[in-house]
Formats: sequence, structure tokens, C-alpha cells
Amino acid sequence: GAVVSQHPSWVICKSGTSVKIECRSLDFQATTMFWYRQFPKQSLMLMATSNEGSKATYEQGVEKDKFLINHASLTLSTLTVTSAHPEDSSFYICSARLYDQPQHFGDGTRLSIL
Amino acid sequence: QKEVEQDPGPLSVPEGAIVSLNCTYSNSAFQYFMWYRQYSRKGPELLMYTYSSGNKEDGRFTAQVDKSSKYISLFIRDSQPSDSATYLCAMSVDGNNRLAFGKGNQVVVIP
Repeated sequence: GAVVSQHPSWVICKSGTSVKIECRSLDFQATTMFWYRQFPKQSLMLMATSNEGSKATYEQGVEKDKFLINHASLTLSTLTVTSAHPEDSSFYICSARLYDQPQHFGDGTRLSIL
Repeated sequence: QKEVEQDPGPLSVPEGAIVSLNCTYSNSAFQYFMWYRQYSRKGPELLMYTYSSGNKEDGRFTAQVDKSSKYISLFIRDSQPSDSATYLCAMSVDGNNRLAFGKGNQVVVIP
């Protein structure tokens, strides 16, 4: 149980384009979803927390207009990287949890901006 | 000082050996402690989840928490090559809301 699916797993796109990443909880309803960013050999850095039906709470230093998060339902959250540039290239991982249960993570999306 | 300190390794052990990993932390408000395993290019997978000080065992895995020393450990018995991965400790104040992660410790089990 507690499966989180993230799509796509890998995306390459040109500088200036926008990229949408989906995060779905497949077998449970996620009251909260989280978005992380991970650089090589570094730990996960929390970008934002979102509760279903409400606006995301962003961590300090994360641009809201750059990283748009929509948590439209109890099983789906999306992260859109707008006008992506090479410095946005990274590994983006989502997690989901039901109330105070542990977070379960997706397999991540490797984003490469050329 | 970082909230969570974890030696990134890498740590190489022969198959069958005991793997010992640990993290220290500075925030005494942390109440929930987790260990995640992350294979290359994959998301973290929850291994152990503990609340109080003491030991918790699950198969070949044992998690220890010492709140007085602000120190947590993970032991893997009878290690297998499939245990080769990066192990991340994580902790939170409020029931798993905002997690503070360690850097991760890369483990290699040599057949």
C-alpha cells in the first residue's frame, strides 16, 4: 500500500518552456502533499507543502511564481516549473501523506533544461 | 550548525556484515524519527518510523533513538547486495509535517 506515482520520470526541454510534473497517490487519499528538490549527493530540500483545496505554503527562498503548485484533489498535485532555465535542472520529488501518517515518496522527476 | 548531521560515507561492507548508520541532531523538539532508503534515481522508501526513545526492530532492520544524546541509529543485519543504496535519516517536530533530512549515507554491500 501507500503508493505514490510521479510523472514524467524524466524530461528534457528547451530553456524558456514550462514543465508540468504530476504526483498521484494511487491507493490512499493524500490530505497533504509535499514537493522537494534534490541535487546530486545532497539531501532533499523541501520546496512547498500543499493541502487539498488550499494554496501551497512555500519555503523561504522558493519563488511562488516560478514553481506553481496545484493540489486539485485528494489524489493529485501538480508542480509547474514556469519559464524553466538551466539552473532549474534538478531532481524533483513529491511525497504524500494521509493526516499524520508518514510521508510516502514518488520516484522523482529528472528535469534537464537545455 | 545544521539541524541534522549525517556522514555521507560511502560505507562499504562485505555481504553478511552488520551495517551501522547514525545521525545526530540539534533540535530537541524533534519527536518523530524516520529512516528512508533511496536507490539511485528513485524516490526515498520508508524503512523505519519511530516516535519515542528506544529500539524498534523490523526484520533485519533495527532503529534506535536516544533523545537525551540527540542521536539515532539504523542497523542492518546480514547485509545483502540489494541493501546497497543511500540511507537518509529524517525527523520532525509535529507528526511528520515538515521533515528535516540528513544528507544521506551511501552504503555498498560487496558480494
